[in-house]
Amino acid sequence: DAGVIQSPRHEVTEMGQEVTLRCKPISGHDYLFWYRQTMMRGLELLIYFNNNVPIDDSGMPEDRFSAKMPNASFSTLKIQPSEPRDSAVYFCASSALRGDTQYFGPGTRLTVL
Amino acid sequence: AQSVTQLGSHVSVSEGALVLLRCNYSSSVPPYLFWYVQYPNQGLQLLLKYTTGATLVKGINGFEAEFKKSETSFHLTKPSAHMSDAAEYFCAVSEGRGNDYKLSFGAGTTVTVRA
Repeated sequence: DAGVIQSPRHEVTEMGQEVTLRCKPISGHDYLFWYRQTMMRGLELLIYFNNNVPIDDSGMPEDRFSAKMPNASFSTLKIQPSEPRDSAVYFCASSALRGDTQYFGPGTRLTVL
Repeated sequence: AQSVTQLGSHVSVSEGALVLLRCNYSSSVPPYLFWYVQYPNQGLQLLLKYTTGATLVKGINGFEAEFKKSETSFHLTKPSAHMSDAAEYFCAVSEGRGNDYKLSFGAGTTVTVRA
């Protein structure tokens, strides 16, 4: 079975540019989570969805960040405009049951110059 | 709200020695507890989890953990370390089927294995 798929795996961009990260959850999973991982702050939950509806976006750092889930098989995390401090690894995870195991994608390593 | 504390950000063990990673949690409801492993440049992978029932949980790669409610702990052990165990390990807690969907992760413990 395919796991969580994320694209691109690596992204290098310049400050001020728009960045879009993509995620395809495991089929049948109703919960989708976006995380950011940095050395300084560790693993941070940014936002999560249930049945395509955003449930909690309190972890989104600022208005430059937005996330959508237009259907059950696709989600995006957008940063506009990007800044060097956004450099991190961004993970998407999905889960079939509330509060239960989350399955992580391989991550997108974002570098903002 | 739930939270997790992992004691020790770095642990170094000799190959063949016991691996012990400590995790304490707080939760207002019966928790679900998880251990994840992250190898370099990869995502997090589930090692094992506790939901209900038997408090000693066995996972992949020879790891196990014991849920101790009285101590609010969920420590991870492996009797004999292998070089391939070098990775970062995260403990996590959720409210199970409660109202809070998310997992709360600890800060992580990096394990190095000495030959």
